[in-house]
Order: sequence, then C-alpha cells, then structure tokens
Amino acid sequence: QVQLVQSGAEVKKPGASVKVSCKASGYTFTTYPIHWVRQAPGQSLEWMGWINAGNLNTKYSQNFQGRVTITTDTSASTAYMELNSLRSEDTAVYYCARYDVAFAYWGQGTLVTVSS
Amino acid sequence: DIQMTQSPSTLSTSVGDRVTITCRASQTIYNWLAWYRQKPGKAPKLLISKASTLESGVPSRFSGSGSGTEFTLTISSLQPDDFATYYCQQYTSYPWTFGQGTKVEIK
Repeated sequence: QVQLVQSGAEVKKPGASVKVSCKASGYTFTTYPIHWVRQAPGQSLEWMGWINAGNLNTKYSQNFQGRVTITTDTSASTAYMELNSLRSEDTAVYYCARYDVAFAYWGQGTLVTVSS
Repeated sequence: DIQMTQSPSTLSTSVGDRVTITCRASQTIYNWLAWYRQKPGKAPKLLISKASTLESGVPSRFSGSGSGTEFTLTISSLQPDDFATYYCQQYTSYPWTFGQGTKVEIK
C-alpha cells in the first residue's frame, strides 16, 4: 500500500534552516509528483510547492519568497523540503502529499517549532 | 491568488442530520475542486476530487456538486466519525489554495 513517512519533529531558532524528509513506498516513486503543505496551529492549510519526481521540475508558492527548496533522492524514494530563514510564523506541521487525483495520500506530518 | 471562502465556519449539528457546506472561489476554477476531512492531530483525508468524484472507499453519504465558482459538500446523514473539520481546495491555478475550514461539531 502507498505510504509516505516523514521525519521527526524539529525545534529551530529564528534564522536557521530546516529540512524535512518524506519517504515513499508502495509505488514507483518517479511516477507521481510530491507536494508540500503546511498548517500553522489552529489554522487552515497552505500549499508550499511541488516536485515532479520524474523530471525534477519544481514549482513554488511565491508566498515563501524563495525560502523553500524541494528536492528528491530517487534512489531512496525520498522527497525533501528545506525552508530557510525561519521565523516564528513558520511554526507549523509540514505535510508531504502525493498528487494524482488531488492529494489522495499524505504523510503523517512533521511539527517544526521555531523559537528562540 | 484564488481565494476560497467556506461557509459556515462552524456547524453545530447532530448524528443523522443532513449537512451542507459551501465553498466559493474568487474566480472560476472549473471543476478543479477537492474536499478533505481532517481530525485533530491527523493529516487531511481526501473525500471528493474534481468537484463530484467520490474517492474510493469514502462512504456514499458524502457527495459534492458545483462548478465554476460555487461548490457544495453534502453529508446525507451525519455519523459520529464525521465530527471534524472540512476543507475545500482548488487545484487549477498556482498557488493552490484551501478554504479556511468548516468545523462540524456536536450540538
């Protein structure tokens, strides 16, 4: 069965970077795009960007002003999301999701806490 | 960016009730709309894609309709498992955007 398993919770200081991983299993990794979505405490969902795991093309939300980078390690069937210049407002649960017909599969989420 | 507006924000209801949630887009999204259910501490679960296509394994009490800018999610007979927050999402234009959520709570 399709599974997306994310890395564990992180605590970072303002100005630092965080890199969250998302390991896929149960399907051919290069066949489907991987997207990243975040959810601040008590808030709605915010789309961050995606990567075509086949050709490595990416698309990012301008709302992150170039702070986000999504990459993959195809040999490990793993996608990564790196967010730089962290600020307190980046405290959120970060999800990876596989797109086929909308987001049918999601990772379990990774809590990133930004605090001095 | 396309703004997605859900109404109501909160719905107090009972098991067995019929529930309707509305989602309006600030410009046409054709039928590129999905509905998700999210429970506390869990990832969202896809219920409906392309406005009205029921995801495999999702109970038939859920249905979606609409096109263009106005969409609805209907739960024909609310079950205990359905007390949760529901989100709509457009995926026609970047950045893909979500509604603010509708919390369905026990009356």
